[in-house]
This record gives sequence, structure tokens and C-alpha cells, in this order.
Amino acid sequence: DAGVTQSPTHLIKTRGQQVTLRCSPISGHKSVSWYQQVLGQGPQFIFQYYEKEERGRGNFPDRFSARQFPNYSSELNVNALLLGDSALYLCASSFGQGGFTDTQYFGPGTRLTVL
Amino acid sequence: KQEVTQIPAALSVPEGENLVLNCSFTDSAIYNLQWFRQDPGKGLTSLLLIQSSQREQTSGRLNASLDKSSGRSTLYIAASQPGDSATYLCAVTSNFGNEKLTFGTGTRLTIIP
Repeated sequence: DAGVTQSPTHLIKTRGQQVTLRCSPISGHKSVSWYQQVLGQGPQFIFQYYEKEERGRGNFPDRFSARQFPNYSSELNVNALLLGDSALYLCASSFGQGGFTDTQYFGPGTRLTVL
Repeated sequence: KQEVTQIPAALSVPEGENLVLNCSFTDSAIYNLQWFRQDPGKGLTSLLLIQSSQREQTSGRLNASLDKSSGRSTLYIAASQPGDSATYLCAVTSNFGNEKLTFGTGTRLTIIP
């Protein structure tokens, strides 16, 4: 079975631009979460979507937005890019049954560099 | 606010040795704790998930324990191999209604052949 896939693998943008990152969950998974990982740090939670509804939001500015499609894939959008947005963006999927037993599976990430 | 700490930040051990990685969290009201492995520049691979009602989980050479009352977890790796070299991250789920994972900053493990 295919794991979580993300595209693109790498991306270079300049300050002020906008970027869209894409994620396809494992087949059968209905929940997608997004994380930002700055070099040397643990991932920070950005969003969780379940059945196309936002279920959770981390402490990120409104420049960050996301959505989930009927096929459960998801997009993360970041507007007005700042140098500090340079990071590895990770997508995770799960069945979305709740926090007790639901293992989250991560994709390979998208490396975003803002110049 | 939940905070997760992993000490040490880096660890080097000779091949074949057994080792323990540590994780602590400030709020004991967690749903579960997961251990992940991350290779440089790559995504995360889930190793073990311990539910809040469990004390430990085992998978092959890996054993993870959880002491919720003291806010601690350990990951035990037996008979270490060079392929075990990676960064190990622990994360807890503690928010009702969503699956937000709160991560530590990781322990970078190097196995010396």
C-alpha cells in the first residue's frame, strides 16, 4: 500500500510570495494533519482536518490556511511568505478515530526555502 | 500548556550496546504517546504507540514504557546497530477533539561501528 505522499519535494520562493503544498493520505484514512518543522526542532502542529472540517488549529498566523477535499487529500496554503517560514512541512494521516489508539503516519515532507 | 522534553539532545554509543532514550512531559492528562524515528531531511516513521492506559509496548528490539503519573517515557533499544542511527522523537496527544501531537526536540542517536 502507498504511504502518505506529499508534493512538491522541494520548493524555493521569495519573500511575499504565496505557496501551496499538497498531501494525499493513506487509502482509508480520513484525517490529515499539517506540521512545520524548523531545523533542529520538533514538528509544530498547524492544522488537522477530518471529513473536510477543521478539527484543530495550532498557534500560526492567518497567513496559513488549509482545506481538505472529498477524496481526503489536502492542501496547505501560506501567503505573504517570510524568511521564517523556511522549514520542512510534514503531512500526517490517520483514520481520525480519536486520540487513544490512532497512529499517525507521516509523509516525506516538503522542504520550503524562502529567500 | 503541554511541554515535551528529550534529554540528551545527542547520544553516541558503540554498536551492540543496549541504550535508553528519555522523554518527559509536563501534563499527565495524555491520550497516548508515540515514538518516531527521523532520518536526516526525511519524514517521520512511527515506531511505537502507547495508549494512556498501557505501561509498555514492544516491537522487535524496541521497547517503550510509559509512566503517566510521573510524566515520563523511555525507549529501550537492544543490541544497537549502525542502521539505528537517526533522530528519535517522542510526541503526546493531549487535546480532546483533535489529534494534535506535541513533540519533543528529539535525541540524535549515532551508533559507532
